[in-house]
Amino acid sequence: AQSVTQPDIHITVSEGASLELRCNYSYGATPYLFWYVQSPGQGLQLLLKYFSGDTLVQGIKGFEAEFKRSQSSFNLRKPSVHWSDAAEYFCAVGIGDTDKLIFGTGTRLQVFP
Amino acid sequence: DVKVTQSSRYLVKRTGEKVFLECVQDMDHENMFWYRQDPGLGLRLIYFSYDVKMKEKGDIPEGYSVSREKKERFSLILESASTNQTSMYLCASTKLAGGGETQYFGPGTRLLVL
Repeated sequence: AQSVTQPDIHITVSEGASLELRCNYSYGATPYLFWYVQSPGQGLQLLLKYFSGDTLVQGIKGFEAEFKRSQSSFNLRKPSVHWSDAAEYFCAVGIGDTDKLIFGTGTRLQVFP
Repeated sequence: DVKVTQSSRYLVKRTGEKVFLECVQDMDHENMFWYRQDPGLGLRLIYFSYDVKMKEKGDIPEGYSVSREKKERFSLILESASTNQTSMYLCASTKLAGGGETQYFGPGTRLLVL
């Protein structure tokens, strides 16, 4: 069965530090993979997605993610975190030829000045 | 820009009440989804619809029903609200594309059932 694991429930970083949020998926074929961000009190916004081609994907707000098939991972990275990046981050995998998604449980990012 | 709106940001209801949560999208999307979001559980799919009057159960449909009479509107119905339905409810929409499409989310409705 398809699933998404985000092993880190809560991460705290200092402003200006680098960031990596982990995501592992379980899926039989080449997956569609997504990262969404949810700011406090808001809905989810797409940061980036992978569906084919270059395994390093660039997104909005300076984020990038790398698809590694051998590790079943799609980790999100940012070289220098800003205080406004404090939010909850969700990784998701698309289900086959439907338009449904399975979401991970999320990682809450806290940024200290 | 795609806009998905939800009828209420906050809602307080009593146990046993019938509750309607409304979602409207303005981009002519075929697919619409209802999720509930709970701490530590992420987003779980309740129901989705890929066309007017069409619906399919998601992972946690028990205690919920839906209605889609018009393409732009997708309603979630709690026939008899219970305290375990206290949660954040998120609506989303996307084009019908067979996979890989971005889901666009509304701001959410935080429901408290007393």
